[in-house]
Amino acid sequence: GNSVTQMEGPVTLSEEAFLTINCTYTATGYPSLFWYVQYPGEGLQLLLKATKADDKGSNKGFEATYRKETTSFHLEKGSVQVSDSAVYFCALRKGQGTDKLIFGTGTRLQVFP
Amino acid sequence: EAQVTQNPRYLITVTGKKLTVTCSQNMNHEYMSWYRQDPGLGLRQIYYSMNVEVTDKGDVPEGYKVSRKEKRNFPLILESPSPNQTSLYFCASSLKPGTDTQYFGPGTRLTVL
Repeated sequence: GNSVTQMEGPVTLSEEAFLTINCTYTATGYPSLFWYVQYPGEGLQLLLKATKADDKGSNKGFEATYRKETTSFHLEKGSVQVSDSAVYFCALRKGQGTDKLIFGTGTRLQVFP
Repeated sequence: EAQVTQNPRYLITVTGKKLTVTCSQNMNHEYMSWYRQDPGLGLRQIYYSMNVEVTDKGDVPEGYKVSRKEKRNFPLILESPSPNQTSLYFCASSLKPGTDTQYFGPGTRLTVL
């Protein structure tokens, strides 16, 4: 069935370091892929998305490229800030109609000054 | 302001005492759903609704009920809560099934003693 696997955290970085959070997926067909971010005490917010192979989603300095050949959607940012500290969820949308999202387990990012 | 609201935000209750968590959106969205978030498991869908009076089970529906009598509201009902329903609950909505952006509420942290 459809599933999402992402690296376990926490990921601990110093400010201005380079960030990669790995995400791979298993799916039939051509799912849409998403990264959601959850700041402390808040709900999830859509960070970026990609709807077809080789699409690159980007927002707030974060990027992820939909790689069908490696079934991956890794999240990257060139220079993290303390304010990026949050939990990041990779997700895929399971086909048409239901709008159901299948989430990975989440990766906590902690950025220190 | 476009938003999804949930109430209560925090709830501590005892086994067997019926409770309802409300969810409301002001964006005229057709699709609404409930997720629960548990450590190491990410978010899992409980129930969803494609429109008024149309609801269906997600991946973990046992012990929950929902109703969709009005477009804006989608309450989650626990008829007889048990400790394994202690979790963080999120309501989400989107304009139509199959659109890319889901909007999440702030979450309800439920503890069942």
